[in-house]
Amino acid sequence: EAGVAQSPRYKIIEKRQSVAFWCNPISGHATLYWYQQILGQGPKLLIQFQNNGVVDDSQLPKDRFSAERLKGVDSTLKIQPAKLEDSAVYLCASSTFLVNQETQYFGPGTRLLVL
Amino acid sequence: SQQGEEDPQALSIQEGENATMNCSYKTSINNLQWYRQNSGRGLVHLILIRSNEREKHSGRLRVTLDTSKKSSSLLITASRAADTASYFCATGRAGGTSYGKLTFGQGTILTVHP
Repeated sequence: EAGVAQSPRYKIIEKRQSVAFWCNPISGHATLYWYQQILGQGPKLLIQFQNNGVVDDSQLPKDRFSAERLKGVDSTLKIQPAKLEDSAVYLCASSTFLVNQETQYFGPGTRLLVL
Repeated sequence: SQQGEEDPQALSIQEGENATMNCSYKTSINNLQWYRQNSGRGLVHLILIRSNEREKHSGRLRVTLDTSKKSSSLLITASRAADTASYFCATGRAGGTSYGKLTFGQGTILTVHP
């Protein structure tokens, strides 16, 4: 089966610009996650979707970050305006959300550099 | 916030040796998972152990869980150069909106020298 797809793989922008990331989860996976991974740290959950509804966005900086998952499949994560501290890898993951199926499947990530 | 703390932060060994990484966490969990991340790549799931399990094996991997001490260890036996990567533990909580949500540790960087 095809894995989680993300694009772009790399993005360089200047501070105060906006940027958007795209994720296509594994077919049939109801749950989709966006993580931020700063260099040298573990991934930090930004937002969790169940189908097209938000389950948890408690760690999403809502003044500048937004995410949507229209139709419960693809998702986009947007940053507007970007700050230097947003430089990180943004990982998308998906899972089935079935009982005893807690494994998450990760995409390759988008590496963002804010100058 | 990071739930897990991993130890050591970095580990360097020779091919053929065993590698042991430890993870401690703070709150009660439903399961604990280990993931591997090669440089510049996404995370790959290695193994999951549930809170009512004490030990689990998968190939060259052995995971233990001690819920009384809130700690887990990952043992990689007969390591290979291809095992060079960062290893993360992630804890999953039970119930409600927490179901499926993982909290990751800081990771252990493993280097296996040929």
